[in-house]
Amino acid sequence: DQQVKQNSPSLSVQEGRISILNCDYTNSMFDYFLWYKKYPAEGPTFLISISSIKDKNEDGRFTVFLNKSAKHLSLHIVPSQPGDSAVYFCAARIASGGSYIPTFGRGTSLIVHP
Amino acid sequence: KAGVTQTPRYLIKTRGQQVTLSCSPISGHRSVSWYQQTPGQGLQFLFEYFSETQRNKGNFPGRFSGRQFSNSRSEMNVSTLELGDSALYLCASRKQGTSTDTQYFGPGTRLTVL
Repeated sequence: DQQVKQNSPSLSVQEGRISILNCDYTNSMFDYFLWYKKYPAEGPTFLISISSIKDKNEDGRFTVFLNKSAKHLSLHIVPSQPGDSAVYFCAARIASGGSYIPTFGRGTSLIVHP
Repeated sequence: KAGVTQTPRYLIKTRGQQVTLSCSPISGHRSVSWYQQTPGQGLQFLFEYFSETQRNKGNFPGRFSGRQFSNSRSEMNVSTLELGDSALYLCASRKQGTSTDTQYFGPGTRLTVL
């Protein structure tokens, strides 16, 4: 049973436009959410995170939105750049009293066209 | 500061053989986790070691095992390899393994089982 779902395996966006990557989760115990970016032949790198006490966290061009009632989060990249082309993984974990091991989604491949 | 290193980067084995993968965490990091990444399944957690003790374990058969040494370096072993074990194996380290820790991933070992 997938507890973290990224239903879009791929997304294609024009340079300069907004990229929106979506993620749904089923475990209501998750209270800390992360996004990782992965280039080919490299390991995932941490991008941005959000605690369940917030509904938005921003870092430069990257913003993560959390909708707890819908168990949904999204990553917005504005403006998108060709260098953003990578696989993006959503992850969730139980920060308080849990094992702190994140559960990952299957990833969304983002392609940003020049 | 050097990142997480994994050796070897690529490996080809045949069914029934066994394999040992190695991971050196970032200096000062005491927690090492292992993940399996396959195209259809995303990142799946194998196990985590902290101070030479296995602290968490994912849902993998007993053919997958690991250990951690006193210098925090970790090895992962897969015995009696099956074709389905072909995957990218990622190692990640964290400083203390607490809820505020970020995981840093190595580049992975690409294992192909023929």
